[in-house]
Order: sequence, then structure tokens, then C-alpha cells
Amino acid sequence: DAGVIQSPRHEVTEMGQEVTLRCKPISGHNSLFWYRQTMMRGLELLIYFNNNVPIDDSGMPEDRFSAKMPNASFSTLKIQPSEPRDSAVYFCASSPRGTGATGELFFGEGSRLTVL
Amino acid sequence: GQQLNQSPQSMFIQEGEDVSMNCTSSSIFNTWLWYKQDPGEGPVLLIALYKAGELTSNGRLTAQFGITRKDSFLNISASIPSDVGIYFCAGSGQGAQKLVFGQGTRLTINP
Repeated sequence: DAGVIQSPRHEVTEMGQEVTLRCKPISGHNSLFWYRQTMMRGLELLIYFNNNVPIDDSGMPEDRFSAKMPNASFSTLKIQPSEPRDSAVYFCASSPRGTGATGELFFGEGSRLTVL
Repeated sequence: GQQLNQSPQSMFIQEGEDVSMNCTSSSIFNTWLWYKQDPGEGPVLLIALYKAGELTSNGRLTAQFGITRKDSFLNISASIPSDVGIYFCAGSGQGAQKLVFGQGTRLTINP
């Protein structure tokens, strides 16, 4: 069975460019999470969706970050304009449990972003 | 907000040794989970705990949900080279769906 699929696996871009990261959750999972991982700050939750609806975006660093989930099988995380401090590994995760229950997260392999 | 303190930050052991790591929270948690991350991969769930006092095993791994609901530990018995990686605890409090992650314990094994 396919797990969480993320693309691209690696992206190198220049400061000021727009970056779009993509995620396909596990079929049937109704919660989707975006995390950012850095050495300094560890794993940080950016935003999560239940049934395609954003529930909590309090972890989104600033207005340069935006996330969408137009349908149950696709989500994007966009950074515009990108800055060097955005360099990190961005993980998407999905969970079979919805609102009101904390379930196990299934992570993708991550997208490693480098902003020069 | 909720915070997790995970220790130790790193461990260097010999193959065959047992390993123990723990997490403490500043508030009561209703769920504890332990994940392992291999280089270049995302974290993978090892054990999930949902009840205070619960002790759960998964092969050579054993984890417990502390009775105070503010701590959890993970033990690995008879370590092998493939146990190398970063281990994360994660938890959530009452009514909170999102998980808080510890900073991780990096395990290195000398053959």
C-alpha cells in the first residue's frame, strides 16, 4: 500500500522565489498535517486539516506561508517569497482519526528545502 | 503551551546493550507515542500509549505511560545496529488533536 507521498524530495531555490511543496495522504485518512524539522527547533507543527478543512494554523510562521487542501487526496504548502531561514525538511503526515481523537501519524519521506 | 523534555539527547552504546530514554511534560498528557526516524526518512510510529500506567511491548521495545500522565519511557533491549536513528516521543493533552514532539534522542551503536 502506498504511504504518504511528498514531492519534491529536494528543492534548492534562491531567496525570493516561490516554493510549492505537495502531499498526497494515505487514502481514507481524514486528517493531514504539515510539519517542519530543523536542527534548532526540532519538529514543529505548521498546520493541520480535518476533512480538508484547516483546523489550526497557529504554527504557520508568517504570512509568507500558506497551505491548501482542495480535496481529500492532495495538499500543498506554499512559501512566497522564500527566505534562507525557511531552509528545513518539511514533512506531511496523515492520520485515520479525525477531530476529537489523537491518532497515530503516518509521515511522508519529507521535502528538503534549501533557500540560498 | 505544552512542552516535552526528552532525555538523553544522544547515546553512544555497544551492540547488545539495553537502552532507556524518557520524556516528561509540563502538563498532563492523554496520549504518548514513540517514533523512530532513520536518516533521510520521516518518523515511523513504534508504540502508542493511551492509558496511564499502560506498559506496551513491540518486539525488543517496551514503552510505558507514566501514572502521573506527565512522563513516558522507552526501553530497547539487546540493541542491534539497525536500532541506530533518532527516537522521538510525542504526546497530546486533553482535547488536543495535535501532537507535541520531544527534541529527540540520537542513538549510535558501536559494533
